[in-house]
Order: sequence, then structure tokens, then C-alpha cells
Amino acid sequence: LAKTTQPISMDSYEGQEVNITCSHNNIATNDYITWYQQFPSQGPRFIIQGYKTKVTNEVASLFIPADRKSSTLSLPRVSLSDTAVYYCLVGGVYAGNNRKLIWGLGTSLAVNP
Amino acid sequence: GAGVSQSPSNKVTEKGKDVELRCDPISGHTALYWYRQSLGQGLEFLIYFQGNSAPDKSGLPSDRFSAERTGGSVSTLTIQRTQQEDSAVYLCASSLGSGSSEQFFGPGTRLTVL
Repeated sequence: LAKTTQPISMDSYEGQEVNITCSHNNIATNDYITWYQQFPSQGPRFIIQGYKTKVTNEVASLFIPADRKSSTLSLPRVSLSDTAVYYCLVGGVYAGNNRKLIWGLGTSLAVNP
Repeated sequence: GAGVSQSPSNKVTEKGKDVELRCDPISGHTALYWYRQSLGQGLEFLIYFQGNSAPDKSGLPSDRFSAERTGGSVSTLTIQRTQQEDSAVYLCASSLGSGSSEQFFGPGTRLTVL
């Protein structure tokens, strides 16, 4: 059974770079890797998505090795407002309404002053 | 533009009663998802609608749970004969298409079954 594993929690300090790694050993050829951020009492919010190698946007980078069995979300110079839960999602929805969405249990990131 | 909206934001009910939760997706989004999130837990997939295709109901935990999507827009999740273990936040998300499209989440409905 496909599984997505990530650390339960992480601590950091303002201004540091934070790297959160997700393991997905059974990732399939057509699967994408997506990361979401969730604040208390809100729905998750899309951060970044990738298929392989490296993707960068204005808020984060996503590193995916060649075997794609893991991925690392990198948050540069975190601030207190980055304190949230970060979810790794592997999969997608394919032809014939075939759905595969494997969510990790989330990593609770605490950024300290 | 407006995001995904859900109503009610909070619902308290008694064990055994039926509840209906509503989701208004972003206009033009063909895909709609329902998830359940228990306190401190990750997201549990419930059901997925894509256009006019038959929904993927593989995540519904029991036959007390059902959902419909009328006119390819608004969706209603119905829980019959609620149980205390149904207490959770129910999240709805929509996306432009299928595949790996970004999901836009609503704020959720917090359901408490007494």
C-alpha cells in the first residue's frame, strides 16, 4: 500500500532555513508531489508542486532526487508566521476518474523568536 | 474572486441525527473533493467528483455517508444517524481539473456530535 511519511514535528528559529523531508517509496510514474501548508482553523493552502529535480517559487523550493522516493520542502529564512502544519501529498487523478491521493500526516513546524 | 465556501462553519448535533454540510466550489472548477480531518490528524479522503463522471466514493467510511453534486457546482455531504466518532472538521476542496491540479480548500465545517 502506498504510503507517505514525514516527521511529526520540527523546531526552528527565525531567519533559518527549514528542510522538511517526505518519504514516498512507492511513488508511481505518473505521480506528482505537492506540499500544502495549514494554519489552525483554516483549510490547507498550496505551496509548491514538482515531478522531478528542483522547483522553486517565491515562497519555497522543492528538491526531488532522481529516484523520486523522497522529496524535501525547503523554506528559506523562516519567520514566526511560517509556524504551521506542512503536508506532503503524492498522487493525482487520472483518466477514467481514477484517483490516487496519498497524504502524509503532516509536519508541525514551530518557528521560535 | 471568491474562494471555496462551506456552511455551516460549526455544527453541533445529537447522536443519531442526520446532518448536511454544504460546499460551494470556485466557479469553473470541475473537480470537487471532500475530506475529513480529526483533531490533530491528517486529511482523510472521503469522495471526489469530476465533471459528469461517476464520483469516486472509495473513501466514504460507511453507508451512513453520502454526497451529491448538483449541476456540477454545489455539493452536499450528508451524514445519517451521526455517531460521536463522526466529530471532525469536514473540508471541501475544488480544482480546475483532474490530474495533479492544485486544490483550493474551504475553511471547513466543524462537526460535533454529542
